[in-house]
Amino acid sequence: DQQVKQNSPSLSVQEGRISILNCDYTNSMFDYFLWYKKYPAEGPTFLISISSIKDKNEDGRFTVFLNKSAKHLSLHIVPSQPGDSAVYFCAASVRGAQKLVFGQGTRLTINP
Amino acid sequence: DSGVTQTPKHLITATGQRVTLRCSPRSGDLSVYWYQQSLDQGLQFLIQYYNGEERAKGNILERFSAQQFPDLHSELNLSSLELGDSALYFCASSGDFSTNEKLFFGSGTQLSVL
Repeated sequence: DQQVKQNSPSLSVQEGRISILNCDYTNSMFDYFLWYKKYPAEGPTFLISISSIKDKNEDGRFTVFLNKSAKHLSLHIVPSQPGDSAVYFCAASVRGAQKLVFGQGTRLTINP
Repeated sequence: DSGVTQTPKHLITATGQRVTLRCSPRSGDLSVYWYQQSLDQGLQFLIQYYNGEERAKGNILERFSAQQFPDLHSELNLSSLELGDSALYFCASSGDFSTNEKLFFGSGTQLSVL
């Protein structure tokens, strides 16, 4: 049972434009959501998070939006830069639980 | 550098064999997590230890086991290996998951079973 889904395996965006990565979840108990970024030959690194009590969190060029009624979150990167090319994983957790549940990842490619 | 160290980086072995993957968490972190990433799959949670005790179990096969030692490093043991066990195995650490802290990942061990 895939509780966190990233339906787009890949996304290609032109440098300077906005990148939008999407994530859907099925478990309504999830109350904390995170995005991780992964470069080849490296482990995932934390990018940005959002609690279920918020609907938006911003950190520089990165903004995460949460729509609880739709069980959907998205990551916006603007403007996109070549260094943003990586695999992005969405993750979710339940407060008090001991694990993060990850999506399958979306490979983002920023074209010059 | 996340501060989480995993060894070895690459491991090639044959079916039926047993291997041990090692992880040293960030200094001060008490929780260690193991994740498996197979081709085109997301990270699948295997198991978590907190200060030496097993805290949570995910989709970990009975052929796999793990432990966390008094110095907080952890080992993941994979036995009777099958071709399908070929994957990237990540270790992650955190201080205290009760507040939903983000995890810090090592660079992984790439296991190839031939």
